Amino acid sequence: EAGVAQSPRYKIIEKRQSVAFWCNPISGHATLYWYQQILGQGPKLLIQFQNNGVVDDSQLPKDRFSAERLKGVDSTLKIQPAKLEDSAVYLCASSPGTDPTKNIQYFGAGTRLSVL
Amino acid sequence: AQSVSQHNHHVILSEAASLELGCNYSYGGTVNLFWYVQYPGQHLQLLLKYFSGDPLVKGIKGFEAEFIKSKFSFNLRKPSVQWSDTAEYFCAVINGPGGYQKVTFGTGTKLQVIP
Repeated sequence: EAGVAQSPRYKIIEKRQSVAFWCNPISGHATLYWYQQILGQGPKLLIQFQNNGVVDDSQLPKDRFSAERLKGVDSTLKIQPAKLEDSAVYLCASSPGTDPTKNIQYFGAGTRLSVL
Repeated sequence: AQSVSQHNHHVILSEAASLELGCNYSYGGTVNLFWYVQYPGQHLQLLLKYFSGDPLVKGIKGFEAEFIKSKFSFNLRKPSVQWSDTAEYFCAVINGPGGYQKVTFGTGTKLQVIP
């Protein structure tokens, strides 16, 4: 089966610019996650969707970050305006359902963002 | 707040040496525990998981982990490492009531295996 697709793979922008990342999860997966992974740290959950509803966005900096998952499939994560500290790899993951026995996450390759 | 600690940030071993990577978490309730691995240039992928039952779980490539509830630990082990085990290893914990589980990752341990 096809894996989690993310684009772009790399993005370089200047501070105060805006940027958007796209994720296409594995077909049929109900849950979608966006993580921020800063160099030397573990992935930090930004937002979790179940189908097209938000389950957890407690760590999403809502003044500049936004995310949506239209029709419960693809998702976009946007940063506007970007700051230097947003430089990181943005990972998308999906899992088959909401049952904890199925909460194995499948990760995409990530988007590496550099803010200059 | 939930936290996951991986105390070994960088481990260097010779081939055939034994490996143990520590993982401790802070949540006192029911947890699902995971180890994920990221090989150089590849995606994060699942190594092994614990949901319930036998606290000693076996994963791919000869890895195993033991859940010790009293110690809030889920340490990863391998009796004899290979050069191909060079990677970054992340412990993750999912906890929470009812139908919602909050996921937290540790900071990761970079393992370098010297031939």
